[in-house]
Amino acid sequence: EVQLLESGGGLVQPGGSLRLSCAASGFTFTSYGLTWVRQAPGKGLEWVSTSGRSGGIFYADYVKGRFTISRDNSKNTVNLQMNSLRAEDTALYYCVKHDGSGFYVNWGQGALVTVSS
Amino acid sequence: DIQLTQSPSFLSASVGDRVTITCRASQDISSSLAWFQQRPGKAPNLLIYAASTLQSGVPSRFSGSGSGTEFTLTISSLQPEDFTTYYCQQLKSYPRTFGQGTKLEIK
Repeated sequence: EVQLLESGGGLVQPGGSLRLSCAASGFTFTSYGLTWVRQAPGKGLEWVSTSGRSGGIFYADYVKGRFTISRDNSKNTVNLQMNSLRAEDTALYYCVKHDGSGFYVNWGQGALVTVSS
Repeated sequence: DIQLTQSPSFLSASVGDRVTITCRASQDISSSLAWFQQRPGKAPNLLIYAASTLQSGVPSRFSGSGSGTEFTLTISSLQPEDFTTYYCQQLKSYPRTFGQGTKLEIK
């Protein structure tokens, strides 16, 4: 069974940093793409960043230069380093596993990030 | 960037009704579209991928159609658990984008 467990969320001041981690199990980690999707309170879904199975890395414009996605294949984790955080980054951040065609099949339960002074 | 526009944003219906939600893309995305259901407090759940393929385990009352720029999600006979929010998403190009969501409410 595929499991995705996010951690690292919390309260941070504007301009601060936070590192989210997603521990994955139940599949061959190196064979699938992984993505972070966020959802601000009461709002819709917003794509943040993808680490493709072939090594491609992609970011949304609103996080480019501030967020960094990385994979640790030895620990089966995907991380999201978030710097220069803003109030508008406040959201529930989901870790998502792709299927072989790139569709978002499996979702974690999310890690809440709150940016506030 | 490819914009996705869902309509309607809110939909009132009754148990047993047949409903259709539309997702329009700002440019041709072929069949690179997925539909998600999201219940309150839960992660999204993939319903349909590649525009019309039903994800394993999803009830057959859900169906998807379309290609190019216009897509539909149809629920053939609404059940009480279907009254929640639905999103479309394009996977044709980066940045990936979602529609704004359609909230399905009980009439």
